[in-house]
Amino acid sequence: EAQVTQNPRYLITVTGKKLTVTCSQNMNHEYMSWYRQDPGLGLRQIYYSMNVEVTDKGDVPEGYKVSRKEKRNFPLILESPSPNQTSLYFCASSLRTSGRVNNEQFFGPGTRLTVL
Amino acid sequence: AQSVTQPDIHITVSEGASLELRCNYSYGATPYLFWYVQSPGQGLQLLLKYFSGDTLVQGIKGFEAEFKRSQSSFNLRKPSVHWSDAAEYFCAVVPGGYNKLIFGAGTRLAVHP
Repeated sequence: EAQVTQNPRYLITVTGKKLTVTCSQNMNHEYMSWYRQDPGLGLRQIYYSMNVEVTDKGDVPEGYKVSRKEKRNFPLILESPSPNQTSLYFCASSLRTSGRVNNEQFFGPGTRLTVL
Repeated sequence: AQSVTQPDIHITVSEGASLELRCNYSYGATPYLFWYVQSPGQGLQLLLKYFSGDTLVQGIKGFEAEFKRSQSSFNLRKPSVHWSDAAEYFCAVVPGGYNKLIFGAGTRLAVHP
């Protein structure tokens, strides 16, 4: 089954304790992205990757890191989480054609993170 | 500022009634346009998309949307709402020259029996 998986689905942690949220897709997609969803703000892009070893900042990258060592995986790293990073996080992937990212983005089920 | 606006935060309709969810964008060149639906506790699912051509696009679950360039709008419609349509709906755009989806704040739809 074609899918994007995220782990963990739920996480409660404390300020300053490094954490990683994993994202994996089995569709051989070039493009992957991380979003955070906050009430009244919709989804905002954190980082994206156009292909292996190619990553770039989205709209709200502060406090986050990513890496793309393999095509299927795109982990999100919070080196020193803070309470303002409490949010619902989504990973997404899509095929990438030349020019704009215009194909359907497939979303993972989300990771609800609480930072105390 | 460039943005995607969904003016209605919450909408309540009766089952069987028609539905229209509004979306306006403020990007100059015609962007690529999308509508996504998020059911409670779920990820996002694509309902439909517009790149070019016929300005009325059909999607899944009986939804359609119409692109109106003059109004910079891409409103989502359904002629008869079902209780299972209760969810949050997001309009999103990929502006010209960008490589990312920009989302509106979402409209939460409630359906009364």
